[in-house]
Amino acid sequence: GIQVEQSPPDLILQEGANSTLRCNFSDSVNNLQWFHQNPWGQLINLFYIPSGTKQNGRLSATTVATERYSLLYISSSQTTDSGVYFCAVPSGAGSYQLTFGKGTKLSVIP
Amino acid sequence: ETGVTQTPRHLVMGMTNKKSLKCEQHLGHNAMYWYKQSAKKPLELMFVYSLEERVENNSVPSRFSPECPNSSHLFLHLHTLQPEDSALYLCASSQDSSRGDNEKLFFGSGTQLSVL
Repeated sequence: GIQVEQSPPDLILQEGANSTLRCNFSDSVNNLQWFHQNPWGQLINLFYIPSGTKQNGRLSATTVATERYSLLYISSSQTTDSGVYFCAVPSGAGSYQLTFGKGTKLSVIP
Repeated sequence: ETGVTQTPRHLVMGMTNKKSLKCEQHLGHNAMYWYKQSAKKPLELMFVYSLEERVENNSVPSRFSPECPNSSHLFLHLHTLQPEDSALYLCASSQDSSRGDNEKLFFGSGTQLSVL
């Protein structure tokens, strides 16, 4: 099956700093999604980004489908950005199942 | 607020109990999902329903029984669980284009289940 790798596994930032999270995947995909899981378990869909670049406030994401990777940029980080960031791709053509990476755990300290 | 509501938020049950998890979506979506998140493991898909019909069913033990009475509601019935079933159970929904691999998922807050 498709493999999804995220890096780094852990990241500690001072409030106000910028960061880049990476997601590599092993096969071509129709879509890629980034999620943020807050400390209470809630998973929020940040981006649905099969290719190209999207921006939402301080967050932006870029997917280079031909090279099988995606990047999530967080600028001017805030303590509320803390949590785990997951990327996910379809497990196969036509499949409803998503394969998730193991996540990047981000801690933003004041 | 994602438009997907799960109850209860926390559940503690013995191995001989029977309980049910409930999920409701207010987004007008046609597909609903159960995912399991265990400590230090990636999220795992358990079941998917599209227009109230099960469309994918991974190898899930029969002690987990899903029910989808309509496109807005999804249940997960639990009976004779094992301690290793303790996990966060997440419900999700999507628009459903019938293709499957281009769905954008919206998750609920999850039910943290502890089996004693």
